[in-house]
Amino acid sequence: NAGVTQTPKFQVLKTGQSMTLQCAQDMNHNSMYWYRQDPGMGLRLIYYSASEGTTDKGEVPNGYNVSRLNKREFSLRLESAAPSQTSVYFCATSLGGETQYFGPGTRLLVL
Amino acid sequence: GQQLNQSPQSMFIQEGEDVSMNCTSSSIFNTWLWYKQDPGEGPVLLIALYKAGELTSNGRLTAQFGITRKDSFLNISASIPSDVGIYFCAGQLYTDKLIFGTGTRLQVFP
Repeated sequence: NAGVTQTPKFQVLKTGQSMTLQCAQDMNHNSMYWYRQDPGMGLRLIYYSASEGTTDKGEVPNGYNVSRLNKREFSLRLESAAPSQTSVYFCATSLGGETQYFGPGTRLLVL
Repeated sequence: GQQLNQSPQSMFIQEGEDVSMNCTSSSIFNTWLWYKQDPGEGPVLLIALYKAGELTSNGRLTAQFGITRKDSFLNISASIPSDVGIYFCAGQLYTDKLIFGTGTRLQVFP
């Protein structure tokens, strides 16, 4: 029982490159979330998925796209990475929107 | 976007001391959550509060849901080195999205 897993753990990109961050959960939770964490800013919601087949924008969605592939998996895609997207990205899940459980994070550096 | 005001921003204390931190909002919440983030890890839930005035403990940690529903407090008694990390509060209204505080960074010296 791994809980929430994220891949990769670290990534370095050049400006303009694309990549997909993967998140998977084995908790049978309905809701999944993508956050970014920047120094002094706390956690900011990028996108979320209340259930399989649905996605909604959060506070800072620009420059990102998401796919809820199935109940277990929720991916975050950067189509054309920018230095402003250098951050730590966290995936989280919840059963019905309350208590959220976080993955270990993906550290992304965009040069 | 809305973020909660969390204070203090950082604390440097000696092992054995008690710690207090708080979180305030201009909006009311139905749920308050406290998370801890260890260096290089994701946040881990410490305590969840669901009722105004509620006082809940988890070992040496005690958290309270403010009467006005606009604030919450976290106390850590007799701090130890493994308490080092960043503590986040989060508020939620019904099943709406969580709103996170900016974090309190705790450093414990032996």
